[in-house]
Amino acid sequence: NAGVTQTPKFQVLKTGQSMTLQCAQDMNHEYMSWYRQDPGMGLRLIHYSVGAGITDQGEVPNGYNVSRSTTEDFPLRLLSAAPSQTSVYFCATSRGTGNTIYFGEGSWLTVV
Amino acid sequence: AQKVTQAQTEISVVEKEDVTLDCVYETRDTTYYLFWYKQPPSGELVFLIRRNSFDEQNEISGRYSWNFQKSTSSFNFTITASQVVDSAVYFCALSEGTSGGSNYKLTFGKGTLLTVNP
Repeated sequence: NAGVTQTPKFQVLKTGQSMTLQCAQDMNHEYMSWYRQDPGMGLRLIHYSVGAGITDQGEVPNGYNVSRSTTEDFPLRLLSAAPSQTSVYFCATSRGTGNTIYFGEGSWLTVV
Repeated sequence: AQKVTQAQTEISVVEKEDVTLDCVYETRDTTYYLFWYKQPPSGELVFLIRRNSFDEQNEISGRYSWNFQKSTSSFNFTITASQVVDSAVYFCALSEGTSGGSNYKLTFGKGTLLTVNP
Protein backbone atom coordinates (compact mmCIF):
# COMPACT_ATOMS: atom_id res chain seq x y z
CA ASN A 1 0.00 0.00 0.00
CA ALA A 2 2.95 2.30 -0.43
CA GLY A 3 1.82 5.63 -1.81
CA VAL A 4 -1.57 5.96 -0.08
CA THR A 5 -1.36 7.26 3.47
CA GLN A 6 -4.32 7.47 5.82
CA THR A 7 -4.37 9.20 9.18
CA PRO A 8 -5.30 8.59 11.90
CA LYS A 9 -5.24 4.81 12.03
CA PHE A 10 -7.45 4.64 15.11
CA GLN A 11 -9.89 7.18 16.52
CA VAL A 12 -12.62 7.21 19.14
CA LEU A 13 -15.21 9.97 18.90
CA LYS A 14 -18.16 10.98 20.99
CA THR A 15 -21.54 11.33 19.34
CA GLY A 16 -21.86 14.77 17.82
CA GLN A 17 -18.15 15.46 17.50
CA SER A 18 -16.61 16.28 14.17
CA MET A 19 -13.38 15.05 12.69
CA THR A 20 -11.47 14.65 9.46
CA LEU A 21 -9.87 11.52 8.10
CA GLN A 22 -6.89 12.39 5.98
CA CYS A 23 -5.81 10.65 2.79
CA ALA A 24 -2.69 11.54 0.86
CA GLN A 25 -1.19 9.87 -2.19
CA ASP A 26 2.08 10.41 -4.00
CA MET A 27 1.32 8.41 -7.13
CA ASN A 28 -0.18 11.35 -9.06
CA HIS A 29 -3.44 9.43 -9.47
CA GLU A 30 -6.43 11.41 -10.67
CA TYR A 31 -9.08 9.21 -9.10
CA MET A 32 -9.54 9.05 -5.34
CA SER A 33 -12.35 7.62 -3.28
CA TRP A 34 -13.48 6.71 0.22
CA TYR A 35 -15.05 3.41 1.22
CA ARG A 36 -16.38 2.15 4.50
CA GLN A 37 -16.25 -1.47 5.58
CA ASP A 38 -18.83 -2.91 7.92
CA PRO A 39 -19.20 -6.53 9.08
CA GLY A 40 -21.11 -8.60 6.56
CA MET A 41 -21.47 -5.65 4.18
CA GLY A 42 -18.21 -5.65 2.27
CA LEU A 43 -16.92 -2.24 1.24
CA ARG A 44 -19.26 0.53 0.17
CA LEU A 45 -18.39 3.71 -1.66
CA ILE A 46 -18.94 6.96 0.26
CA HIS A 47 -17.58 9.72 -2.00
CA TYR A 48 -15.23 9.89 -4.92
CA SER A 49 -13.26 12.39 -6.97
CA VAL A 50 -12.10 12.26 -10.57
CA GLY A 51 -9.66 15.13 -10.14
CA ALA A 52 -8.87 18.27 -8.19
CA GLY A 53 -11.97 20.37 -7.69
CA ILE A 54 -14.38 17.57 -8.64
CA THR A 55 -16.22 15.37 -6.17
CA ASP A 56 -19.38 13.30 -6.22
CA GLN A 57 -21.44 11.04 -4.00
CA GLY A 58 -21.18 7.30 -3.85
CA GLU A 59 -23.52 4.71 -2.40
CA VAL A 60 -23.56 5.89 1.24
CA PRO A 61 -22.71 9.64 1.35
CA ASN A 62 -24.98 10.84 4.17
CA GLY A 63 -23.13 12.32 7.11
CA TYR A 64 -19.88 12.81 5.21
CA ASN A 65 -18.30 15.68 3.29
CA VAL A 66 -15.29 15.70 1.01
CA SER A 67 -13.22 18.19 -0.92
CA ARG A 68 -10.36 17.85 -3.39
CA SER A 69 -8.26 20.98 -3.55
CA THR A 70 -5.12 19.16 -4.72
CA THR A 71 -4.38 15.99 -6.63
CA GLU A 72 -2.60 14.54 -3.61
CA ASP A 73 -5.17 14.98 -0.84
CA PHE A 74 -8.74 13.84 -0.36
CA PRO A 75 -9.96 14.39 3.23
CA LEU A 76 -13.21 12.89 4.53
CA ARG A 77 -15.10 14.96 7.07
CA LEU A 78 -17.62 13.71 9.59
CA LEU A 79 -19.65 16.76 10.55
CA SER A 80 -21.54 15.31 13.53
CA ALA A 81 -20.47 11.77 14.30
CA ALA A 82 -23.10 9.11 14.97
CA PRO A 83 -22.68 5.56 16.30
CA SER A 84 -23.78 4.29 12.86
CA GLN A 85 -20.54 5.72 11.49
CA THR A 86 -18.49 3.31 13.52
CA SER A 87 -16.61 1.53 10.78
CA VAL A 88 -13.31 0.98 9.06
CA TYR A 89 -12.61 3.58 6.41
CA PHE A 90 -10.43 3.03 3.38
CA CYS A 91 -9.10 5.60 0.98
CA ALA A 92 -8.39 4.41 -2.56
CA THR A 93 -6.65 5.80 -5.62
CA SER A 94 -6.44 4.87 -9.27
CA ARG A 95 -4.85 6.18 -12.42
CA GLY A 96 -8.11 5.80 -14.31
CA THR A 97 -10.52 3.48 -16.04
CA GLY A 98 -9.76 -0.19 -15.56
CA ASN A 99 -6.52 0.47 -13.73
CA THR A 100 -5.66 -1.11 -10.44
CA ILE A 101 -7.26 0.58 -7.48
CA TYR A 102 -4.88 0.90 -4.54
CA PHE A 103 -6.05 1.18 -0.95
CA GLY A 104 -4.64 2.84 2.10
CA GLU A 105 -4.16 0.82 5.27
CA GLY A 106 -7.49 1.82 6.74
CA SER A 107 -8.72 4.00 9.60
CA TRP A 108 -10.63 2.38 12.45
CA LEU A 109 -13.27 4.78 13.78
CA THR A 110 -15.46 4.17 16.83
CA VAL A 111 -18.26 6.57 17.74
CA VAL A 112 -19.57 6.20 21.27
CA ALA B 1 -26.87 -1.83 -11.55
CA GLN B 2 -23.80 -3.87 -10.91
CA LYS B 3 -23.63 -6.57 -8.28
CA VAL B 4 -21.07 -9.04 -6.98
CA THR B 5 -22.04 -12.17 -5.11
CA GLN B 6 -19.69 -14.26 -3.04
CA ALA B 7 -21.96 -17.01 -1.83
CA GLN B 8 -19.37 -18.61 0.44
CA THR B 9 -19.29 -16.66 3.68
CA GLU B 10 -16.68 -18.84 5.35
CA ILE B 11 -14.47 -21.71 4.24
CA SER B 12 -12.23 -23.80 6.44
CA VAL B 13 -9.59 -26.14 5.03
CA VAL B 14 -6.57 -28.04 6.21
CA GLU B 15 -3.16 -26.96 5.02
CA LYS B 16 -2.15 -28.29 1.59
CA GLU B 17 -5.75 -28.65 0.44
CA ASP B 18 -6.84 -26.85 -2.70
CA VAL B 19 -9.65 -24.35 -2.26
CA THR B 20 -11.81 -22.41 -4.72
CA LEU B 21 -13.50 -19.14 -3.86
CA ASP B 22 -16.54 -18.35 -5.98
CA CYS B 23 -17.48 -14.98 -7.43
CA VAL B 24 -20.52 -14.25 -9.58
CA TYR B 25 -21.12 -10.79 -10.99
CA GLU B 26 -23.88 -8.85 -12.70
CA THR B 27 -23.41 -5.91 -15.02
CA ARG B 28 -25.06 -4.44 -18.10
CA ASP B 29 -21.81 -3.02 -19.44
CA THR B 30 -19.89 -4.85 -22.12
CA THR B 31 -16.64 -3.39 -20.82
CA TYR B 32 -15.87 -4.05 -17.19
CA TYR B 33 -13.04 -5.02 -14.89
CA LEU B 34 -12.88 -7.67 -12.22
CA PHE B 35 -10.59 -7.67 -9.21
CA TRP B 36 -9.65 -9.86 -6.30
CA TYR B 37 -8.32 -8.41 -3.05
CA LYS B 38 -6.98 -10.14 0.03
CA GLN B 39 -7.56 -8.75 3.52
CA PRO B 40 -5.34 -10.49 6.08
CA PRO B 41 -6.05 -10.22 9.81
CA SER B 42 -3.93 -7.06 9.95
CA GLY B 43 -6.69 -5.33 7.97
CA GLU B 44 -5.07 -3.89 4.88
CA LEU B 45 -6.41 -4.61 1.40
CA VAL B 46 -3.92 -6.32 -0.86
CA PHE B 47 -4.48 -6.28 -4.61
CA LEU B 48 -4.23 -9.74 -6.19
CA ILE B 49 -5.45 -9.50 -9.77
CA ARG B 50 -7.26 -7.35 -12.32
CA ARG B 51 -8.97 -8.78 -15.40
CA ASN B 52 -10.84 -6.95 -18.14
CA SER B 53 -13.97 -8.28 -19.77
CA PHE B 54 -12.29 -8.92 -23.10
CA ASP B 55 -9.66 -11.25 -21.74
CA GLU B 56 -11.05 -14.63 -20.76
CA GLN B 57 -7.71 -16.34 -20.46
CA ASN B 58 -7.17 -18.07 -17.17
CA GLU B 59 -4.30 -16.76 -15.13
CA ILE B 60 -1.88 -18.52 -12.84
CA SER B 61 0.45 -16.83 -10.40
CA GLY B 62 2.33 -19.30 -8.22
CA ARG B 63 -0.24 -21.14 -6.13
CA TYR B 64 -3.01 -18.77 -7.20
CA SER B 65 -5.14 -19.20 -10.29
CA TRP B 66 -8.21 -17.46 -11.63
CA ASN B 67 -10.93 -18.78 -13.90
CA PHE B 68 -12.94 -16.13 -15.75
CA GLN B 69 -16.04 -17.33 -17.59
CA LYS B 70 -18.26 -14.71 -19.20
CA SER B 71 -20.87 -17.34 -20.09
CA THR B 72 -21.60 -17.88 -16.41
CA SER B 73 -20.56 -14.39 -15.22
CA SER B 74 -18.06 -15.93 -12.86
CA PHE B 75 -14.52 -15.09 -11.81
CA ASN B 76 -13.43 -17.83 -9.44
CA PHE B 77 -10.18 -17.92 -7.49
CA THR B 78 -8.33 -21.11 -6.63
CA ILE B 79 -5.51 -21.52 -4.14
CA THR B 80 -3.49 -24.68 -4.67
CA ALA B 81 -1.79 -26.36 -1.73
CA SER B 82 -3.13 -23.82 0.74
CA GLN B 83 -0.96 -22.51 3.55
CA VAL B 84 -1.77 -21.01 6.93
CA VAL B 85 -0.61 -17.61 5.61
CA ASP B 86 -3.45 -17.73 3.09
CA SER B 87 -5.93 -17.25 5.94
CA ALA B 88 -7.72 -14.01 5.19
CA VAL B 89 -10.91 -12.48 3.87
CA TYR B 90 -10.97 -12.44 0.09
CA PHE B 91 -13.02 -9.92 -1.82
CA CYS B 92 -14.13 -10.02 -5.42
CA ALA B 93 -14.95 -6.63 -6.95
CA LEU B 94 -16.26 -5.18 -10.18
CA SER B 95 -15.88 -1.83 -11.92
CA GLU B 96 -17.77 -0.89 -15.02
CA GLY B 97 -15.77 0.49 -17.89
CA THR B 98 -18.15 2.59 -19.90
CA SER B 99 -20.52 4.43 -17.56
CA GLY B 100 -19.34 7.99 -17.38
CA GLY B 101 -18.06 8.98 -13.99
CA SER B 102 -18.39 5.50 -12.58
CA ASN B 103 -15.86 3.61 -14.57
CA TYR B 104 -13.35 3.35 -11.79
CA LYS B 105 -15.59 2.74 -8.76
CA LEU B 106 -15.59 -0.69 -7.24
CA THR B 107 -18.59 -2.74 -6.25
CA PHE B 108 -17.48 -5.35 -3.75
CA GLY B 109 -18.84 -8.71 -2.81
CA LYS B 110 -19.29 -9.31 0.89
CA GLY B 111 -16.15 -11.37 1.09
CA THR B 112 -15.21 -14.95 1.91
CA LEU B 113 -13.35 -15.71 5.12
CA LEU B 114 -10.80 -18.42 4.43
CA THR B 115 -9.26 -20.23 7.37
CA VAL B 116 -6.40 -22.59 6.68
CA ASN B 117 -5.70 -24.86 9.61
CA PRO B 118 -2.31 -26.48 10.17
